Amino acid sequence: KNEVEQSPQNLTAQEGEFITINCSYSVGISALHWLQQHPGGGIVSLFMLSSGKKKHGRLIATINIQEKHSSLHITASHPRDSAVYICAVLFTSGTYKYIFGTGTRLKVLA
Amino acid sequence: NAGVTQTPKFQVLKTGQSMTLQCAQDMNHNSMYWYRQDPGMGLRLIYYSASEGTTDKGEVPNGYNVSRLNKREFSLRLESAAPSQTSVYFCASTRDSPSSYEQYFGPGTRLTVT
Repeated sequence: KNEVEQSPQNLTAQEGEFITINCSYSVGISALHWLQQHPGGGIVSLFMLSSGKKKHGRLIATINIQEKHSSLHITASHPRDSAVYICAVLFTSGTYKYIFGTGTRLKVLA
Repeated sequence: NAGVTQTPKFQVLKTGQSMTLQCAQDMNHNSMYWYRQDPGMGLRLIYYSASEGTTDKGEVPNGYNVSRLNKREFSLRLESAAPSQTSVYFCASTRDSPSSYEQYFGPGTRLTVT
């Protein structure tokens, strides 16, 4: 079993739909990082959070430390949101390291 | 600021050839990382460096060596490339401040070993 599980693995939505991507983890963590990987391959940071909720534009990320679960929401989705969304957990076992989920491939249709 | 830069962007090697992937960051970050990304798998840590002069193995270090030349640069060397090393390689860095361990990624190097 992977230490970081994302669901769904693939998601197709119509433009304007509300999208939720989930991330569950099994280790104790210091923080959780949501990343976006564009079709061209570049990886950019969306959010880093250790509690509660963060919002940036149409993106909202939440985390529940007790339940070891985080969600990434996209409101009013747009074709330009099409990308792979990656969840990464930062854990501190002597040193700081990330464990990555396998990603959720999102395609938003016009 | 250029952020994290990697060279080359693409490379094709024959089995047994060697090469070095270069990575540099201009954000004065302490920690630097090398990952590989393969289809259906999450990014996997090859090596990391918590500070200049120190390096440690990650999850998949076999077949690789690294060098933290200075605070800015962290190179990854394949001494004798194998087809199993065909992958996309990403370099990343973090600030390591108590308030932020956010990772910044380079654009990636797509390596094919034939």
